[in-house]
Amino acid sequence: EIVLTQSPATLSLSPGERATLSCRASQSVSSYLAWYQQKPGQAPRLLIYDASTRATGIPARFSGSGSGTDFTLTISSLEPEDFAVYYCQQRTKWPSITFGQGTRLEI
Amino acid sequence: EVQLVESGGGLVQPGRSLRLSCAASGFSFDDYAMYWVRQAPGKGLEWVSGISWNSGSIGYADSVKGRFTISRDNAKNSLYLQMNSLRAEDTALYYCAKDIGFFYCNGGSCYPGWFDPWGQGTLVTVSS
Repeated sequence: EIVLTQSPATLSLSPGERATLSCRASQSVSSYLAWYQQKPGQAPRLLIYDASTRATGIPARFSGSGSGTDFTLTISSLEPEDFAVYYCQQRTKWPSITFGQGTRLEI
Repeated sequence: EVQLVESGGGLVQPGRSLRLSCAASGFSFDDYAMYWVRQAPGKGLEWVSGISWNSGSIGYADSVKGRFTISRDNAKNSLYLQMNSLRAEDTALYYCAKDIGFFYCNGGSCYPGWFDPWGQGTLVTVSS
C-alpha cells in the first residue's frame, strides 16, 4: 500500500499569507495525486487533480506542483474561507487508493 | 446540478448487516464510475470501494474486502453498499462520490479517477 504523509499536521497562518502544504508518497505515484479541502460539517471538495490541474470552479490562488513522491499545495494569499483541513490522495492501479492524514490550516 | 444523497445509515450491533444507498441526479449516472469513502469520527478519509460505470470492474479496500459489496443500478441512478459482519471500527460517516470521468481500464488493469462531487454522507454506528 502506498502511504501518503502530509506535513505539517497543523499550519497556523493569517489571511493574506501564503500557505504551503506538503504531501510525500512512500513510492512514486507519477502525477496521480489530488488535493481535497474539507470544511467543518461539510463533505470534501476536489481542488487539484493530476498534481497540478485545478478542478472546475477552483480559484487561481490554489496551485499544485510535484511528481513522483513529493507534492505541494500552495495557496498564494489566504482568504478567510480557506481555513479548513486539506487531504492529498493518490490513485495508481486499481484498487490502490489512499489518502494522507490531513493538514489542518488554521488562523 | 449534480446531487448525491446517501441514506441507510444508523446504529447497528457488531456482526449485523446494513445496506447504504446513494441516489444520484443531475448527470448521466451510467457514464461514470462511483465510489464509497468513509470518515471515522474526528479522523481522516479512507477509501472503501469503487465500481466502474458498467459494474465490470469493482475494487475494495483490504479493510472491508470479503465483508462489503458494492453495486449499482443504472436504471435507478443508484449506488449501493452492502455491509456485512460489521465491526466497531466500521463506525464512520460514509460518503458516496462521483468520478470526474478519468476512470479507465487497459490491458486488464483499471485505473480509478478522482472524486467529485461528494454527497453529504450517512452515519453508520456499530455498537452493542
